[in-house]
Amino acid sequence: GQQLNQSPQSMFIQEGEDVSMNCTSSSIFNTWLWYKQDPGEGPVLLIALYKAGELTSNGRLTAQFGITRKDSFLNISASIPSDVGIYFCAGDDKIIFGKGTRLHILP
Amino acid sequence: GAVVSQHPSWVICKSGTSVKIECRSLDFQATTMFWYRQFPKQSLMLMATSNEGSKATYEQGVEKDKFLINHASLTLSTLTVTSAHPEDSSFYICSANFPPSYEQYFGPGTRLTVT
Repeated sequence: GQQLNQSPQSMFIQEGEDVSMNCTSSSIFNTWLWYKQDPGEGPVLLIALYKAGELTSNGRLTAQFGITRKDSFLNISASIPSDVGIYFCAGDDKIIFGKGTRLHILP
Repeated sequence: GAVVSQHPSWVICKSGTSVKIECRSLDFQATTMFWYRQFPKQSLMLMATSNEGSKATYEQGVEKDKFLINHASLTLSTLTVTSAHPEDSSFYICSANFPPSYEQYFGPGTRLTVT
């Protein structure tokens, strides 16, 4: 079946730094979705991508749908403390989630 | 828009009892809702897909007689954990598909603890 590999599994960065994480799949996806989950809460949709090569921004967040349709990346610019959380990528209509990237911001 | 609520937000029950969790789409109609469970520090695992007016589709390994799903209306799906055991303790999250896209909007989750 389809699998999603998300990397890195965790990140420790300084406030103000840019962040980059990515997601790769074993097969082609038609949709890429990026979510953020805060502790004890449900995931919140950040960005949805529907077309290969698509680059979409949402504030300080930018995500791209890879040309091969097997990967996507999410960038966060100028990180702030509230960016802390787990970021999940997900693909296609029967949502398959990656294992998440835990973002930690060092004081 | 696209708000999904869940009730209760947390519940503690005794082993052997049943617990019902509600998932509602507040400002849109969702023909499809999804139920996930999440163990600590793990990703979301899809349990079942709930379609309004029809039987739910369960993922492999999920017992349909233990996790009863009812999607009686376009805004409400319920998950009943029957004869709960401590190993059923988890974070249960629902989501609703926002038509006509593939975007899903998640509820805030329900923390179930079975003692």
